[in-house]
Amino acid sequence: DSGVTQTPKHLITATGQRVTLRCSPRSGDLSVYWYQQSLDQGLQFLIQYYNGEERAKGNILERFSAQQFPDLHSELNLSSLELGDSALYFCASSVRQFSSTDTQYFGPGTRLTVL
Amino acid sequence: GNSVTQMEGPVTLSEEAFLTINCTYTATGYPSLFWYVQYPGEGLQLLLKATKADDKGSNKGFEATYRKETTSFHLEKGSVQVSDSAVYFCALGTFGNEKLTFGTGTRLTIIP
Repeated sequence: DSGVTQTPKHLITATGQRVTLRCSPRSGDLSVYWYQQSLDQGLQFLIQYYNGEERAKGNILERFSAQQFPDLHSELNLSSLELGDSALYFCASSVRQFSSTDTQYFGPGTRLTVL
Repeated sequence: GNSVTQMEGPVTLSEEAFLTINCTYTATGYPSLFWYVQYPGEGLQLLLKATKADDKGSNKGFEATYRKETTSFHLEKGSVQVSDSAVYFCALGTFGNEKLTFGTGTRLTIIP
């Protein structure tokens, strides 16, 4: 158990809908990262937050947004969903801001299926 | 930019066989290197890491040595078990570049 929790574990929804994925980082970790794992794109970095502020953006679509709250949990919002958004979404956390050289601890993921 | 090239899978081995999964990288800056493992139906778990040249990361019988001269971080295990069946990801991170860059993953299946 990495200490990172994600809810829900599975999510099934229809095209055009909006969903929210939730992540709680490890105790003491200030950075939260979101990754998307799909069959055709592999593991792709979406976005990072550090202590409530957006720190870095990767291949995140404009239909997607995220935020980190004062208690450090984070939410990833996906809207106007398309079939191609079906994927496994991982949250990871680490202690520091500039921390890609440090260990990132991953949650179990949320599997999103868009029908 | 950063990139990771990983041995194409799937890889199927018999129990107690020797395992090597190749990983090479390109990085701007001085990277830290990681191997993550994803067991069926689970998230990614850190298997081992190395943060500087010639460092050897090891865990659960797996080893990988950071080779700067060949820009490689190959994963090895002397005797694999059925429980090692999983997908293995090589990844790198560089200071100031917040994301981890992952390889495509190698699916390993161990047959009893």
